[in-house]
Amino acid sequence: DVKVTQSSRYLVKRTGEKVFLECVQDMDHENMFWYRQDPGLGLRLIYFSYDVKMKEKGDIPEGYSVSREKKERFSLILESASTNQTSMYLCASRSRDGNYEQYFGPGTRLTVT
Amino acid sequence: AQSVTQLGSHVSVSEGALVLLRCNYSSSVPPYLFWYVQYPNQGLQLLLKYTSAATLVKGINGFEAEFKKSETSFHLTKPSAHMSDAAEYFCAGRRGGATNKLIFGTGTLLAVQP
Repeated sequence: DVKVTQSSRYLVKRTGEKVFLECVQDMDHENMFWYRQDPGLGLRLIYFSYDVKMKEKGDIPEGYSVSREKKERFSLILESASTNQTSMYLCASRSRDGNYEQYFGPGTRLTVT
Repeated sequence: AQSVTQLGSHVSVSEGALVLLRCNYSSSVPPYLFWYVQYPNQGLQLLLKYTSAATLVKGINGFEAEFKKSETSFHLTKPSAHMSDAAEYFCAGRRGGATNKLIFGTGTLLAVQP
């Protein structure tokens, strides 16, 4: 089974802090994704990585950056956290040769105070 | 799919009743369509997927969905709801163009009453 893990289930940070959310997958997938999930808005794509060191902005990249130094790990960075970044963050991965099916981690619920 | 629309943000059914969750898509390319389920405080889990094979797709936990091109729909059904089906359900489709990304609907929260 594909396993996608995220470093924290719950995180509380202060406004202005730099926040790192880590995601690791164990299936050698080329593609990895970061989404944020908010009530009534569904999942919105923040960033996408199609290979090591390769990244592409999603629909809502403002205020975020990403890092992918190794194939299995994809990090989401909030350079200066703000209260409007309080949300559930979901990481996903998929094989480049697959049928677009994405495999999700358990999510990190981030609260910025 | 350039867009995926889920009709009804909240659906409530009685235990044992039919579950019907609606999803419509718009696409100029052959679609790949998915239904995911999210239980409280968990990530998304794949229920079923349509990949241009059979139009009636069976998934886990007794769910199935039918792809209807003429109606651009991919509604999710289950003949008899169980309390454990209470969760949020997301429909998703492949975005248009040369992309390997998905676009998600806004979700439908299913409540099952005893």
